Amino acid sequence: DAGITQSPRHKVTETGTPVTLRCHQTENHRYMYWYRQDPGHGLRLIHYSYGVKDTDKGEVSDGYSVSRSKTEDFLLTLESATSSQTSVYFCAIRPGQGAHTGELFFGEGSRLTVL
Amino acid sequence: GNSVTQMEGPVTLSEEAFLTINCTYTATGYPSLFWYVQYPGEGLQLLLKATKADDKGSNKGFEATYRKETTSFHLEKGSVQVSDSAVYFCALSQNTGNQFYFGTGTSLTVIP
Repeated sequence: DAGITQSPRHKVTETGTPVTLRCHQTENHRYMYWYRQDPGHGLRLIHYSYGVKDTDKGEVSDGYSVSRSKTEDFLLTLESATSSQTSVYFCAIRPGQGAHTGELFFGEGSRLTVL
Repeated sequence: GNSVTQMEGPVTLSEEAFLTINCTYTATGYPSLFWYVQYPGEGLQLLLKATKADDKGSNKGFEATYRKETTSFHLEKGSVQVSDSAVYFCALSQNTGNQFYFGTGTSLTVIP
């Protein structure tokens, strides 16, 4: 158990409303990631963080913002949700301090439906 | 750039059949390679990995060998079980980078 909790696990919202997904970890790992999973696309990186207040964009960052004000929490915000953002969102953490390759540990996912 | 291509699914096999899921990659240098598995309703979990050429990763009867000459990391299992039904993802990560690159996933269903 990598100690990753995502909330909410399920959410239905309407187009144009703001949505925030939360990823919480209990082990103070430096690297945290947000992915979305869609049929035919696999997992695509939205944003990632390499420390408090240190974040960077992934391949599908448009329409999303993130914040990391403390080590244990990584928030993903959709400022104005669109139907194209209907997806399953996964948070992941990577143990290790340096820029070396360790494995990712994933949360259980948050299913978001935008009507 | 970095990318992973894996075979299209879905794949349906009978119990005890041999499994191969093909994965090829494009990357500069010497990435690390991974297979992740996703059971229904769950997040991804690491199945096996290999960090250098000719390494063989193995776990739960699954194996994959890092072939730099063919840029491949094919997943194999000699005798699948119903409990192996899941979606399998091939992935790579550069040793000097922060990002992981995933294939599109291959759905496997094993029937009794």
